[in-house]
Amino acid sequence: DTGVSQNPRHKITKRGQNVTFRCDPISEHNRLYWYRQTLGQGPEFLTYFQNEAQLEKSRLLSDRFSAERPKGSFSTLEIQRTEQGDSAMYLCASSLGGQNNQPQHFGDGTRLSIL
Amino acid sequence: AQSVAQPEDQVNVAEGNPLTVKCTYSVSGNPYLFWYVQYPNRGLQFLLKYITGDNLVKGSYGFEAEFNKSQTSFHLKKPSALVSDSALYFCAVRGVYGGATNKLIFGTGTLLAVQP
Repeated sequence: DTGVSQNPRHKITKRGQNVTFRCDPISEHNRLYWYRQTLGQGPEFLTYFQNEAQLEKSRLLSDRFSAERPKGSFSTLEIQRTEQGDSAMYLCASSLGGQNNQPQHFGDGTRLSIL
Repeated sequence: AQSVAQPEDQVNVAEGNPLTVKCTYSVSGNPYLFWYVQYPNRGLQFLLKYITGDNLVKGSYGFEAEFNKSQTSFHLKKPSALVSDSALYFCAVRGVYGGATNKLIFGTGTLLAVQP
């Protein structure tokens, strides 16, 4: 299966700790997105990369959050000084560039639980 | 501002009966519309999209959706429901206008329960 891969699938950590998630997109996709999904809600957009350039960031992405895509392939999302409210499913998606009507393909997410 | 509304938290249907999951949208300009399905502890799977052209769009697993511009709706349909269709369904929109964002705006989801 060459879909979007996310690691780890689950992360449990204490409040105040830093966490980092990884996303490997579909290989030919140059666009990569991060979303956050809380229970009973639809995914909410966090940020978007085209190749290595971070082109859009949501106001949800506070200064404790940082995302990178250094070589235009995999991406990491880091949360510093985690808070209870950060508990959520973090979803990564990728899509082909060129046409803005291409569907985004999602990974299975990383579920973050803050103790 | 762009938004999507899914007015039903849950839809119950008997296996073999037709199903409809409702979605309405608000966006500047012409919309790109998408339906996704999510199974427990999984990511979202793409079902179908409307970009332009025929108002009836066919997608994966026998699903289809009807775009209605005057009613700003994009309802998901299937002629005959299966128990395995039971899942959470999300409608999403991406606006098309100058300097368009690439993000999707999702509805809150509709839980489809198909009874045997």
